[in-house]
Amino acid sequence: GMTQSPDSLAVSLGERATINCKSSQSLLFDSNNKNYLAWYQQKPGQPPKLLIHWASIRKSGVPDRFSGSGSETDFTLTISSLQAEDVAVYYCQQYYRTPWTFGQGTKVEMK
Amino acid sequence: EVQLVESGGGLVRPGGSLKLSCAASGFTFSGSAIHWVRQAPGKGLEWVGHIRSRANNYASGYAASVRGRFISSRDEAKSTAYLQMNNLKSEDTAVYYCVSVDATIDAWGQGTLVTVSS
Repeated sequence: GMTQSPDSLAVSLGERATINCKSSQSLLFDSNNKNYLAWYQQKPGQPPKLLIHWASIRKSGVPDRFSGSGSETDFTLTISSLQAEDVAVYYCQQYYRTPWTFGQGTKVEMK
Repeated sequence: EVQLVESGGGLVRPGGSLKLSCAASGFTFSGSAIHWVRQAPGKGLEWVGHIRSRANNYASGYAASVRGRFISSRDEAKSTAYLQMNNLKSEDTAVYYCVSVDATIDAWGQGTLVTVSS
């Protein structure tokens, strides 16, 4: 499965937020050298918003303060300078194989 | 613009049935797989099932929790995917999202709420 850490974190405005995601199996597909890992942001009452796919590729329109890194089983989402509108729950997801699996979510709050 | 619009949710009694629709636009529907993901109130995200494209023989798969009760289908002419849900249980109460995938994840719909209650 997918395990995120921490479950929650409080960060000051303008400071860095880092969320980790660990997969029990490698998400690296050898034939195309891509990691099948996505990151989402979800605010109350809204659907998940895709931020990053292929582990590190930002979806069009996503601010560049969001970045993804990692490979195989260990991944990180970094918000370089937290803004008020970034307060949300963040999920990682593997789409290497079905059933897709999601991390349990990390709640990011403003300190 | 890639867009997915779900519909068909509502209140249904335990043991009842419901059919969700996922209308697609702005991309080549025929080349995409459609996945269904649900989120129970206050909970995380759970994959429900999927149906692949014609090129992949419309292969489908389901989570163990819904296998034998839920069936995915699609109508290429209408660019619409469906999720037929039978023998619904209280634990199926959730917002249901459809997700399009063509090599990578393209888009999510806004979701439709299914409530199973007597």
